[in-house]
Amino acid sequence: ILNVEQSPQSLHVQEGDSTNFTCSFPSSNFYALHWYRWETAKSPEALFVMTLNGDEKKKGRISATLNTKEGYSYLYIKGSQPEDSATYLCAFIGGNEKLTFGTGTRLTIIP
Amino acid sequence: DAGVIQSPRHEVTEMGQEVTLRCKLISGHNSLFWYRQTMMRGLELLIYFNNNVPIDDSGMPEDRFSAKMPNASFSTLKIQPSEPRDSAVYFCASSLRASGGNQPQHFGDGTRLSIL
Repeated sequence: ILNVEQSPQSLHVQEGDSTNFTCSFPSSNFYALHWYRWETAKSPEALFVMTLNGDEKKKGRISATLNTKEGYSYLYIKGSQPEDSATYLCAFIGGNEKLTFGTGTRLTIIP
Repeated sequence: DAGVIQSPRHEVTEMGQEVTLRCKLISGHNSLFWYRQTMMRGLELLIYFNNNVPIDDSGMPEDRFSAKMPNASFSTLKIQPSEPRDSAVYFCASSLRASGGNQPQHFGDGTRLSIL
């Protein structure tokens, strides 16, 4: 069983503040790391797919970094807005090409 | 562009009944994934297909669950007989098949299943 962990489990951030959270995954047999954003009552939506050590991806105010050697990825949100409230999931793909999801970080932005 | 389409959106049925969940892939996608979301276990992969062929069904809970892809754009997940512990939200997702998992998955809106 692959261990994909996300921390913290939940987070409350004041509107306008920046925040970040972590996904840790096995450092061996790495293929890819996905980040998804999951709003309540909707379905997960892909944010980033990262494959190379040192990758940095950016989409608007959201960015992510990847360290495959030590097995972690950070997701950053700059200048949080209420619409950023969601659960952020990471998913690890190893040699078997299956996604193993973490349990998510539930982010709430306080207006 | 039409996304992944799942039906029904909600299903309430009595224990012992057969349940069939349906999923239509995004046109051009050739990988299909079925997931189950529960409070206890989060999002779990049940089974996935590449080019209509089941690749890994190790996540299927037991023989009461079966999944098929009768053609390249459509899949069903069947539970027979259903039990109350099968109550969950079932998602399907599709993607372009690529080695190394470097393609994002696109999720349907899910089917909320309640077994009474």
